[in-house]
Amino acid sequence: DADVTQTPRNRITKTGKRIMLECSQTKGHDRMYWYRQDPGLGLRLIYYSFDVKDINKGEISDGYSVSRQAQAKFSLSLESAIPNQTALYFCATSDGPGGWTNTGELFFGEGSRLTVL
Amino acid sequence: GEDVEQSLFLSVREGDSSVINCTYTDSSSTYLYWYKQEPGAGLQLLTYIFSNMDMKQDQRLTVLLNKKDKHLSLRIADTQTGDSAIYFCAESIGQAGTALIFGKGTTLSVSS
Repeated sequence: DADVTQTPRNRITKTGKRIMLECSQTKGHDRMYWYRQDPGLGLRLIYYSFDVKDINKGEISDGYSVSRQAQAKFSLSLESAIPNQTALYFCATSDGPGGWTNTGELFFGEGSRLTVL
Repeated sequence: GEDVEQSLFLSVREGDSSVINCTYTDSSSTYLYWYKQEPGAGLQLLTYIFSNMDMKQDQRLTVLLNKKDKHLSLRIADTQTGDSAIYFCAESIGQAGTALIFGKGTTLSVSS
């Protein structure tokens, strides 16, 4: 089983609908992230969380919200989806900042492809 | 603000060396990273380099870091068709290593 699992893997929805993308992890990491990937734009950070009570906005948080239900679960919501939110969304985890004891690398899920018509 | 720049496309022939270049802005980044994304998959860490190193070699991969110019490169020796993928350069941002920011990705196409 994957260490970082995203559901759904694919979703097609209509403008104005509420959508939730879910992420769960078995790595025991405190840090979780949501990124969005668009062709030619790379990955952009939407939200991140360092523990259950900590939620932080990334560079493109407008139109999105998140919930950290437990250490292992971090969900991303689009309250009213719009077509320019069509993208590939990635959840990632990390065990901390890069330093002497760890590399700070991110571990990614397989992605959730969202299409908003 | 922080930014990571890399060229978007690279095309090589099988057996040749590939060099993917990247420039970054945050000089406080402890590590710099190269991630690989194969079609339909998530990103996987390919290699990384500690900021006090100039070079790191790992089998066919060589990473060069020029801190003065904030330039990072990834060299793949004897490139194979299986190396065709998107390669992302990334740096960490913030004093607490808040998150990674990524370049736009370089699509490597290997022809036989």
